Amino acid sequence: DTGVSQNPRHKITKRGQNVTFRCDPISEHNRLYWYRQTLGQGPEFLTYFQNEAQLEKSRLLSDRFSAERPKGSFSTLEIQRTEQGDSAMYLCASSSRDTPYEQYFGPGTRLTVT
Amino acid sequence: RKEVEQDPGPFNVPEGATVAFNCTYSNSASQSFFWYRQDCRKEPKLLMSVYSSGNEDGRFTAQLNRASQYISLLIRDSKLSDSATYLCVVNSPGTASKLTFGTGTRLQVTL
Repeated sequence: DTGVSQNPRHKITKRGQNVTFRCDPISEHNRLYWYRQTLGQGPEFLTYFQNEAQLEKSRLLSDRFSAERPKGSFSTLEIQRTEQGDSAMYLCASSSRDTPYEQYFGPGTRLTVT
Repeated sequence: RKEVEQDPGPFNVPEGATVAFNCTYSNSASQSFFWYRQDCRKEPKLLMSVYSSGNEDGRFTAQLNRASQYISLLIRDSKLSDSATYLCVVNSPGTASKLTFGTGTRLQVTL
């Protein structure tokens, strides 16, 4: 499968715990994005990497959130001290340098904070 | 005002009908426009880009009116498989490749 993959697909955690999600983009794509989507809403941009550099971060990304893409391939998104309001679908997408707006999404990680 | 606004629907149409979705965007400096499709509990997928001159892909036609900051999607001869949420998407000017999504319009095609 050469699409974007995300792990885990589902995560249930208790409030206050830390969670980490992983995204593997399409191999030839140098751009990687994280979005969050809640019920009835479109995806909301969180952050963007070009290769290993994190170039943009949304105001939505509080200091409890951190993302990395250490070797310019896979990326991780960590949420510390989770809150119930963090419950959402976390989507990863990737795109090529030539067509940055044609973003291909992974299946997402659904986070439930209890 | 939201950056991208769409009628959330749902639009319930019979198979074979023609249906149109509209979208408005607030930033006149936006340059790139798209429609994405999202099936229930699945990830969004690019349906088509929207060009200034309008463009067509089979049963789907997209139009852009820059003066009114308005984007439309027309689906002809609706199929059951067209049932999904259609997301209007606009680039965020001044950012490298950030996209702003509307809330989506839900379409249900029935027999």
